[in-house]
Amino acid sequence: NAGVTQTPKFQVLKTGQSMTLQCAQDMNHNSMYWYRQDPGMGLRLIYYSASEGTTDKGEVPNGYNVSRLNKREFSLRLESAAPSQTSVYFCASRLKVVGNSPLHFGNGTRLTVT
Amino acid sequence: AQKITQTQPGMFVQEKEAVTLDCTYDTSDQSYGLFWYKQPSSGEMIFLIYQGSYDEQNATEGRYSLNFQKARKSANLVISASQLGDSAMYFCAMREFGGGADGLTFGKGTHLIIQP
Repeated sequence: NAGVTQTPKFQVLKTGQSMTLQCAQDMNHNSMYWYRQDPGMGLRLIYYSASEGTTDKGEVPNGYNVSRLNKREFSLRLESAAPSQTSVYFCASRLKVVGNSPLHFGNGTRLTVT
Repeated sequence: AQKITQTQPGMFVQEKEAVTLDCTYDTSDQSYGLFWYKQPSSGEMIFLIYQGSYDEQNATEGRYSLNFQKARKSANLVISASQLGDSAMYFCAMREFGGGADGLTFGKGTHLIIQP
């Protein structure tokens, strides 16, 4: 079972470059999320998609855009990368109809912006 | 104000001892859920246990249990008979069911090291 798959695993960007982080889940989940993890900060929600066709801002959306391409895929785009966006990015999904359903996470993308 | 507070940045515990990881939360919702996740050094996030605000019993999952004290707004994770493989970061998280942003709000984590 693949679960939540993120690509790439690692990426180095120069300031000002753009890139898209890809995420796909095969669990037929309706909600998908993007988090960033920084040392000493825990995980912070960037954007989420409660269902196909909808997206909403989380706690730290500035500098990011997202696309819910279909039920399976949710991408995160950095239009003009900044060193402050150096972080580990996690995609997650859950079955929203169940209130106590946990988030299922991908293995993360480690992004460095120089 | 932080919604989830984990006051122990790091802990060292002897193998086979029980461990309690602290978590306090702040919410005005009556309906909410509390989650614990484990993040080993390999980086993946592993769901451990869930407690709902209306659950009358403390949640248990194998060696993990949740000491839920609603009036104190605390949801401490207890690991019985700790093992070397329990060494990891542990995150407490909350979902508020009263509306607002979806997803979980995470604490900053506790780095647990089990010593032989």
